[in-house]
Formats: sequence, C-alpha cells, structure tokens
Amino acid sequence: TQLLEQSPQFLSIQEGENLTVYCNSSSVFSSLQWYRQEPGEGPVLLVTVVTGGEVKKLKRLTFQFGDARKDSSLHITAAQPGDTGLYLCAGVRLGNTPLVFGKGTRLSVIA
Amino acid sequence: DTGVSQDPRHKITKRGQNVTFRCDPISEHNRLYWYRQTLGQGPEFLTYFQNEAQLEKSRLLSDRFSAERPKGSFSTLEIQRTEQGDSAMYLCASSLLGATNEKLFFGSGTQLSVL
Repeated sequence: TQLLEQSPQFLSIQEGENLTVYCNSSSVFSSLQWYRQEPGEGPVLLVTVVTGGEVKKLKRLTFQFGDARKDSSLHITAAQPGDTGLYLCAGVRLGNTPLVFGKGTRLSVIA
Repeated sequence: DTGVSQDPRHKITKRGQNVTFRCDPISEHNRLYWYRQTLGQGPEFLTYFQNEAQLEKSRLLSDRFSAERPKGSFSTLEIQRTEQGDSAMYLCASSLLGATNEKLFFGSGTQLSVL
C-alpha cells in the first residue's frame, strides 16, 4: 500500500491552462515537500509545507497543506512547456522518519 | 559547491556480477541518503547515514546490498550477485541535520541495467 497517493498519475494539457495535482494519505505528516524531476536527473525541491492549512506560492505555483496535515495540493496557473516534468510529493511522518515519496504526477504541457 | 555527485551515471552489468556506486555529498552536509527509483515510481528509501553512522535500513533492502560512509564524507553502495530486478535508478541525496525543515539535495543518479 502506497503511503502517499498522488493523482492524477498522468496529465497532458495545453499551454496557458490551469491544473491541480493532489497528494493524499491516511497518515499525519510533520511536513510535506514537493519536488520536480526531469528525465535522467534527480528530484529538485520546490517547497516545504509544515503547518496545517499553510499556503505557499512560488511564482505560478501554489502549494497547500491540508488542515489535518494528511494531504497537499499543487496548483499551477497558466502552465508553460517548461513546467513539464514529474511532480513528486514527499513527507516526513511524525518521529522524524526518512522522507517517503509518492509515485508522482507526470505533467506534459503542450505548446 | 558543485552539488551532490554520483558516479557512474550509467552502469550495465550481467546478472550475477557485483557493482559499486559512489556518492559525493555537498561538503558540509552530515546526512546522506540512498534511494532507488524504477520506471513509473517515486524514489524508494534504502538507507541513510548521519556522519559515518548508518542509522536506518529499509526492510526491503536485501542482504546483497551494503552501503558504507567510512569517513562521514563520500558513500558507496554495493550490490552483490546482481539480479534483473535490481535494474533501477539509484539516487543519492544529502542534507544538513539541524537546519530548519530538512531539505534533501539529490544527485543525478546512477542508472543500473542488469542483463
């Protein structure tokens, strides 16, 4: 059973569209992180959310941590081809355990 | 600072052979992690070190896998008697314990293909 469930698994959209991807769990996390990974490279950290209900913005990307700290979402406004990649959520469970990852959402933005 | 460096980038081996990968973390980072990633999956935790001490190993890690970080700097991951199921991207990451909200910095990985 996957600890962090990400949806959708694949997403293909046109340039300029908005999108939201989700990261859900039945477990509580002390923090959640979002990474982006390009083919043949390691994941690169985008953001860390720590407080329940927290919202962080990174240019056109908006990240939200659920009130109960069990889920998170990533919203991209006016997607661009450069946003194409694998978006991974990862969490640290209570007790400072090593980071666990979801399977990711593979996003393709078509010009 | 050149980031986390992994060597080799690609490794092709025959089933039954031993392979060793190296990871050089960011110099001031005291934690070092190994993850494995297969196609269509997220990275899967294997093991991690704090300085030279190996603090945790995944239950999924068979005894054919061993990792070392002898001087608390670089680390090696060895796989003995490789199997086709070992084919994956092996990712190394480092972080600074004590920093607010630990951030992992990943290398580009070693892509292993077992024929």
